[in-house]
Amino acid sequence: KQEVTQIPAALSVPEGENLVLNCSFTDSAIYNLQWFRQDPGKGLTSLLLIQSSQREQTSGRLNASLDKSSGRSTLYIAASQPGDSATYLCAKGRNYGQNFVFGPGTRLSVLP
Amino acid sequence: GAVVSQHPSRVICKSGTSVKIECRSLDFQATTMFWYRQFPKQSLMLMATSNEGSKATYEQGVEKDKFLINHASLTLSTLTVTSAHPEDSSFYICSTIQAPINEQFFGPGTRLTVL
Repeated sequence: KQEVTQIPAALSVPEGENLVLNCSFTDSAIYNLQWFRQDPGKGLTSLLLIQSSQREQTSGRLNASLDKSSGRSTLYIAASQPGDSATYLCAKGRNYGQNFVFGPGTRLSVLP
Repeated sequence: GAVVSQHPSRVICKSGTSVKIECRSLDFQATTMFWYRQFPKQSLMLMATSNEGSKATYEQGVEKDKFLINHASLTLSTLTVTSAHPEDSSFYICSTIQAPINEQFFGPGTRLTVL
């Protein structure tokens, strides 16, 4: 049983579109939630971190929200660009200092 | 954010040999580091938690005698894949968590190919 899920698994959009990536988690124990970007064959780049006491975080064209009651987080990307093409992973931290549990990722392609 | 390095970035070895991967926290002291592996088009799976000065904690199904972890200092953890086999070919990534906000930072990963 997968604790963290992400929908959709893959997404292809034309450049300039706004888009939403979804992350759901079943275990209500959450310390924080982190969104990452991974380019092919590369490590993970941290995008946004939301503490369990927060509702959202913003960085540039990215906005992440967290709804603990429904077990969901969304990553909103505004005015998408071809350079945004990558796999986006969400990860849930259960407790301070412990490992995060990852979702399977969403592969995003932004077409020029 | 924290800077984490890994070495080597790529390694190709023959079946039966051992390979050591280093993970370094460059700008802060990391008492805990995590080792993940990632198969193509799959997400990250935690292998073990590396604790400075003590034994690593392995996830269920991960052979501790095959994947040796040493965390001898606050800035370095090593993963040694012993007697490597082709099925060990994977992308290995380490991470650390920076206090006080509990943000996770990853190394660039090591691509291991076992022939």
